[in-house]
Amino acid sequence: EAQVTQNPRYLITVTGKKLTVTCSQNMNHEYMSWYRQDPGLGLRQIYYSMNVEVTDKGDVPEGYKVSRKEKRNFPLILESPSPNQTSLYFCASSFIWAGELFFGEGSRLTVL
Amino acid sequence: GENVEQHPSTLSVQEGDSAVIKCTYSDSASNYFPWYKQELGKRPQLIIDIRSNVGEKKDQRIAVTLNKTAKHFSLHITETQPEDSAVYFCAASNPSGGTSYGKLTFGQGTILTVHP
Repeated sequence: EAQVTQNPRYLITVTGKKLTVTCSQNMNHEYMSWYRQDPGLGLRQIYYSMNVEVTDKGDVPEGYKVSRKEKRNFPLILESPSPNQTSLYFCASSFIWAGELFFGEGSRLTVL
Repeated sequence: GENVEQHPSTLSVQEGDSAVIKCTYSDSASNYFPWYKQELGKRPQLIIDIRSNVGEKKDQRIAVTLNKTAKHFSLHITETQPEDSAVYFCAASNPSGGTSYGKLTFGQGTILTVHP
């Protein structure tokens, strides 16, 4: 089944404790991206990747890191999480840039 | 960078009525405009998109219109049904290159409620 898989789906952590949200797609998509969703703010792009080893900042990259060592995986790293990073995070991929985005189920992160 | 404004933030209609959601964008170079639907507790899913070489696109009960001169585009849903109730997001991007290459900017979302 074609899908984008994120883990963990839910996480409660404390300020400063490094965490990684994994994202994997099995559709051989070139483009992958991370978004955060907050009430009243819509979906805001954190980072994106046009292909392996090619990543770039979106509109809200502060406090996040990413890597794209393999085509299928695009992990989101929070080196030192803070409460303002409490949010619902979505990973998405598409076959090419500016094509239909396929979203993961979302990861709800709470930073205390 | 691109800025997308979406209105209204909430929209309530009776079943069978039409619903219209409007978005304006700031970057005149943007030429790809998708719409995503997000049901409660679910992931966003693409429902329709339009590129700037066309002014209107239809798919059954939904349609999108684009006015590049005014830099706005709209989603039209006719004969609304309760299952149309969801949050709808518009987005804009410039797939051709420049500093926005790879970026997709979303609007703030519209909560549509269709009453039976």
